[in-house]
Amino acid sequence: QKEVEQNSGPLSVPEGAIASLNCTYSDRVSQSFFWYRQYSGKSPELIMSIYSNGDKEDGRFTAQLNKASQYVSLLIRDSQPSDSATYLCAVPSYSGGYQKVTFGTGTKLQVIP
Amino acid sequence: DTAVSQTPKYLVTQMGNDKSIKCEQNLGHDTMYWYKQDSKKFLKIMFSYNNKELIINETVPNRFSPKSPDKAHLNLHINSLELGDSAVYFCASSQFEGEGNEQFFGPGTRLTVL
Repeated sequence: QKEVEQNSGPLSVPEGAIASLNCTYSDRVSQSFFWYRQYSGKSPELIMSIYSNGDKEDGRFTAQLNKASQYVSLLIRDSQPSDSATYLCAVPSYSGGYQKVTFGTGTKLQVIP
Repeated sequence: DTAVSQTPKYLVTQMGNDKSIKCEQNLGHDTMYWYKQDSKKFLKIMFSYNNKELIINETVPNRFSPKSPDKAHLNLHINSLELGDSAVYFCASSQFEGEGNEQFFGPGTRLTVL
């Protein structure tokens, strides 16, 4: 079983719509969760982190966490063509006191003008 | 100023050759990583160093040997390159503070083995 699962997409949404990206994870003790954005040919960059159950908003981005369901999502409101990228869910786990981050396979988002 | 830099950006080489990729970070972080991203875009950790000490060594062929001369540098040497080694290799760094430490990625090195 994969440790972090995402739908690979592509997820196509029209400009101005809400894009909803989902991620499930298997490690029940995980406490922090990250969303990275990766444009084609570029490196991943962190856009959101969330540690507590519920919602966390940052501009047009909202991360939602449900630890009981082992589920984290990212909502992008008023989607723009510049949001077209692959979104990676990342979940740290701990081994020997050190953090190892496991990335999902990513969901490719296409925002259509 | 570039936070995490890698050289070279592109590397094209023949099977069987030995090559190195260098990484440097100027963020003052104490932990550095090597990731491999394959053609399906799956980003998988290979190694992690904390203050020059190897702390994560995933199931990676021993043809791959990381070296950290100091906590700002982490290099990756690959012996006897194989076709399956073709991928983008990302270096990253973070400051170990328990949970929630963001990783900063370098621009990547695209390795093509012919």
